[in-house]
Amino acid sequence: ILNVEQSPQSLHVQEGDSTNFTCSFPSSNFYALHWYRWETAKSPEALFVMTLNGDEKKKGRISATLNTKEGYSYLYIKGSQPEDSATYLCASFNFNKFYFGSGTKLNVKP
Amino acid sequence: EPEVTQTPSHQVTQMGQEVILRCVPISNHLYFYWYRQILGQKVEFLVSFYNNEISEKSEIFDDQFSVERPDGSNFTLKIRSTKLEDSAMYFCARTSTGGTEAFFGQGTRLTVV
Repeated sequence: ILNVEQSPQSLHVQEGDSTNFTCSFPSSNFYALHWYRWETAKSPEALFVMTLNGDEKKKGRISATLNTKEGYSYLYIKGSQPEDSATYLCASFNFNKFYFGSGTKLNVKP
Repeated sequence: EPEVTQTPSHQVTQMGQEVILRCVPISNHLYFYWYRQILGQKVEFLVSFYNNEISEKSEIFDDQFSVERPDGSNFTLKIRSTKLEDSAMYFCARTSTGGTEAFFGQGTRLTVV
């Protein structure tokens, strides 16, 4: 079992704040790193799939970076909005399956 | 991309009863997965299904669990004799090839009483 860790577990920010959270994963046998956004009672929604060391991806105000040598990825949200409130899950894809972190629960207050 | 649909959204069952959880993914995708999340814990891998066969299963996926793709469209997870500890949110997911973007269903919340 691969150990994927996310921090912090939860985060409370004010509307307009920028924020970031971390996903760490074993760097050996790395294949791909996924970020998902998961709102209560909905399906986890794919944000990014990253495979190459140094990858940076951006979708609107959300971006992510990947360091496969040291085994971490950062997710950044610029100018948080209340609609960004969700749990953000990362998953390392190794050996043909996903290993999930426990998620970072973000709450953005208006 | 069309959604992955799971039914039922919530099922309450008595301990020892059989349950069948259903997932309708796109039929031309080859890789399917079942995951579960017990409240307060991480999302855990149960089983992967590739080319209509079980590819891999975790130690959670014991003899009480089975998966089928009976008609090339529906993808089912059966728990033969449920235990209290089977209470969890069960997700199915599909990918077109392993490691690419995965599409998840909205989950089935199973409560065993």
